[in-house]
Amino acid sequence: QVQLQESGPGLVKPSETLSLTCTVSGGSINKYYWNWIRQPPGKGLEWIGYIHYSGNTRYNPSLESRVTISVDTSKNQFSLRLTSVTAADTAFYYCARESGRYETTRLDYWGQGTLVTVSS
Amino acid sequence: DIQMTQSPSSLSASVGDRVTITCRASESMSNYSNWYQQKPGKAPKALIYAASSLQSGVPSRFSGSGSGTDFTLTISSLQPEDFATYYCQQSYIYPWTFGQGTKVEVK
Repeated sequence: QVQLQESGPGLVKPSETLSLTCTVSGGSINKYYWNWIRQPPGKGLEWIGYIHYSGNTRYNPSLESRVTISVDTSKNQFSLRLTSVTAADTAFYYCARESGRYETTRLDYWGQGTLVTVSS
Repeated sequence: DIQMTQSPSSLSASVGDRVTITCRASESMSNYSNWYQQKPGKAPKALIYAASSLQSGVPSRFSGSGSGTDFTLTISSLQPEDFATYYCQQSYIYPWTFGQGTKVEVK
């Protein structure tokens, strides 16, 4: 059974960089696309971007200037960096595996999520 | 971006009720529609993909339909564990987008 686990600081100061890592267990990071999604407390879901195990990435244009997603296949991990954070970046951050192709593409395995608060 | 609009935003129902949630996309997207269930404090869970395919392990009381711009999630007989928030999502064009959610509450 594939499991994903987010890790990283729960508190980040304004203007600094948010960094999170997602560790994949129970399966290889190879072959799939791996996504980050966030959810401000009490609000809806926002797709941040994905990385393929080959290193290919795609980001939400609303965040593209501040986001970097990277992968370390040797550790079965992928990571998120979000620079110049503000209070608006306070959210639960989820990592998720993307399965399927074309119309069957969906996010089938999710991490439990981690709350990142931006505050001084 | 494709806008996904769910209705209603919330509903009250009883165990055994048939529940229907709709999602309308701002442009046609064939059957590139997914549905997720989220319980408080938990990550979303995939229920339906490709508009009508049941994700492995999901009970058959959940079903999906639709194509183009209009999609529906139906729970045929609501169970106690189904009280949650449901989100639609499009995987047709990046950036992927989600509906605002529909909260299913106890009547």
